[in-house]
Amino acid sequence: AQTVTQSQPEMSVQEAETVTLSCTYDTSESNYYLFWYKQPPSRQMILVIRQEAYKQQNATENRFSVNFQKAAKSFSLKISDSQLGDTAMYFCAFMGNTGKLIFGQGTTLQVKP
Amino acid sequence: KAGVTQTPRYLIKTRGQQVTLSCSPISGHRSVSWYQQTPGQGLQFLFEYFSETQRNKGNFPGRFSGRQFSNSRSEMNVSTLELGDSALYLCASSSGLAGGPDTQYFGPGTRLTVL
Repeated sequence: AQTVTQSQPEMSVQEAETVTLSCTYDTSESNYYLFWYKQPPSRQMILVIRQEAYKQQNATENRFSVNFQKAAKSFSLKISDSQLGDTAMYFCAFMGNTGKLIFGQGTTLQVKP
Repeated sequence: KAGVTQTPRYLIKTRGQQVTLSCSPISGHRSVSWYQQTPGQGLQFLFEYFSETQRNKGNFPGRFSGRQFSNSRSEMNVSTLELGDSALYLCASSSGLAGGPDTQYFGPGTRLTVL
């Protein structure tokens, strides 16, 4: 069975600084996607970034980038130039061929002014 | 394109009652998935519907059921509500055509409180 683990329950960062959230996963599948979703206090789950396992290049979306280490089954999210609006819970998620998302426990990120 | 919509946003029910939640996917998306989010269990997959058929199912009791209509809108029903069913219920849509991993986009959720 696939598992996703986020080992940092809470993190904080000063506005404009860089922060990295960690995620590890376990799977025997070769075709899968990895995601980071953001859930602000409104509880709306927002897609931040997606990484296809077959792509060697790390995905980037503006201030958000990932470090995808396939052999180590590691998938971290780097947020550059942190903004107050980045304050949220961040979920790492895995999707293989079953079509269902498997989520980590989440990391609460607080951006301080 | 409009995003995923869910109605109602908030519900309060009592034990033993039943409830129906609704989800309208992004236009053109044919797959709708449902997730339950609780503080204790986190985010758990309930089921996925594609072209009016249940394609995947999570480990929830039969009190949880769903359906999908020809316009891809989906409903989720919970019968004989228990206190432990209090949760945020999230609906997500995707094209469903990939035949493998796909990207799901979420609605705002329905907050269900069972008293």
